[in-house]
Amino acid sequence: GENVEQHPSTLSVQEGDSAVIKCTYSDSASNYFPWYKQELGKRPQLIIDIRSNVGEKKDQRIAVTLNKTAKHFSLHITETQPEDSAVYFCAADYSNYQLIWGAGTKLIIKP
Amino acid sequence: GAGVSQSPSNKVTEKGKDVELRCDPISGHTALYWYRQSLGQGLEFLIYFQGNSAPDKSGLPSDRFSAERTGGSVSTLTIQRTQQEDSAVYLCASGQPTYEQYFGPGTRLTVT
Repeated sequence: GENVEQHPSTLSVQEGDSAVIKCTYSDSASNYFPWYKQELGKRPQLIIDIRSNVGEKKDQRIAVTLNKTAKHFSLHITETQPEDSAVYFCAADYSNYQLIWGAGTKLIIKP
Repeated sequence: GAGVSQSPSNKVTEKGKDVELRCDPISGHTALYWYRQSLGQGLEFLIYFQGNSAPDKSGLPSDRFSAERTGGSVSTLTIQRTQQEDSAVYLCASGQPTYEQYFGPGTRLTVT
């Protein structure tokens, strides 16, 4: 069946450095790829998304890239700050407009 | 405007009892999702409602779990004969298909 693999499961970076989280998906018909951030004890919230007609999208310090041929997409966070510490989930849509979710990446920003 | 709300925020129940969890989605959202999240884990899909279509129940872990959505708005998730492994945070989200899902604050269920 369809699935989304997310790596790494935990990522620790020095404050100010960049962080990259990668996801691969299996359904070639997927067209929508969101990223959600979940801070400890809070609900997941959308931080950025990309659709298949675009290869890259940026919003201030965050960016997402999509390679449809290779079926992978990545989240890039530059100049990381303590408030970036959270669990990040990627997802991809499939046939009935649902989302398949990655397992999550715990991002730790070291001071 | 008002976001997605869920009630109760916390529920402690004894093993074997039934529980009902409620979700009030954002008005006008046709899609409604239920997820389960155990401590430190990812989002486990349970059920999906879209407009007047038959719900996608493929994620329900057993026949003890059921959900309904009345009038295309409020949804209730019912767990019968609760077990300790049902302890988790139950999240509801609403939105439009292939657009942002807006999550509620969740219901933390503890089965003793």
